[in-house]
Amino acid sequence: GDSVTQMQGQVTLSEDDFLFINCTYSTTWYPTLFWYVQYPGEGPQLLLKVTTANNKGISRGFEATYDKGTTSFHLQKASVQESDSAVYYCVLGGANTGKLTFGDGTVLTVKP
Amino acid sequence: AQTIHQWPVAEIKAVGSPLSLGCTIKGKSSPNLYWYWQATGGTLQQLFYSITVGQVESVVQLNLSASRPKDDQFILSTEKLLLSHSGFYLCAWSLDWSNTGQLYFGEGSKLTVL
Repeated sequence: GDSVTQMQGQVTLSEDDFLFINCTYSTTWYPTLFWYVQYPGEGPQLLLKVTTANNKGISRGFEATYDKGTTSFHLQKASVQESDSAVYYCVLGGANTGKLTFGDGTVLTVKP
Repeated sequence: AQTIHQWPVAEIKAVGSPLSLGCTIKGKSSPNLYWYWQATGGTLQQLFYSITVGQVESVVQLNLSASRPKDDQFILSTEKLLLSHSGFYLCAWSLDWSNTGQLYFGEGSKLTVL
């Protein structure tokens, strides 16, 4: 079945630091890949979406890129802010009806 | 604009007691609806999905059931709660049925089973 593995469970940075979160995926389908962000006490919200047609997505200063050859998908931001502190999920959209596979999440803490 | 509302915001229930969580979507007809469960500090696991009124498909078996009595309403329930049911329940909707679509989540319902 489909699976997603996020490498970093927790990341702690200072403001203006560079952020890089990586994940790998496994699927037999042509995937659509997402990064969702979840703030405390809220439901997740879509941050970025990348399809096989375009291997890069950019939103709110974040950039997501996926590599079909290595089946990896990463999220980066040049300069993080304290308000970016949240949980970031790598998510795989597969072939089955409406099913998204979420990674375990990366807790990002940005110190002022 | 579409809105999604979940109720209750939080519940504290005893083991063996019944549960009913609800979700309403306004501003979108015939949405695809989903229930997700999130253990404290854990990832999201899809429980159910529904593409039309009266039809609900189960993704995992957790001694829970779901129903879609109206186009804009999705209900999650059980007659007997277990300790393992504790967590955060999220309702979501999507515009299209392919997995290239975006999910819109509600604010969630926090369940504590004692």
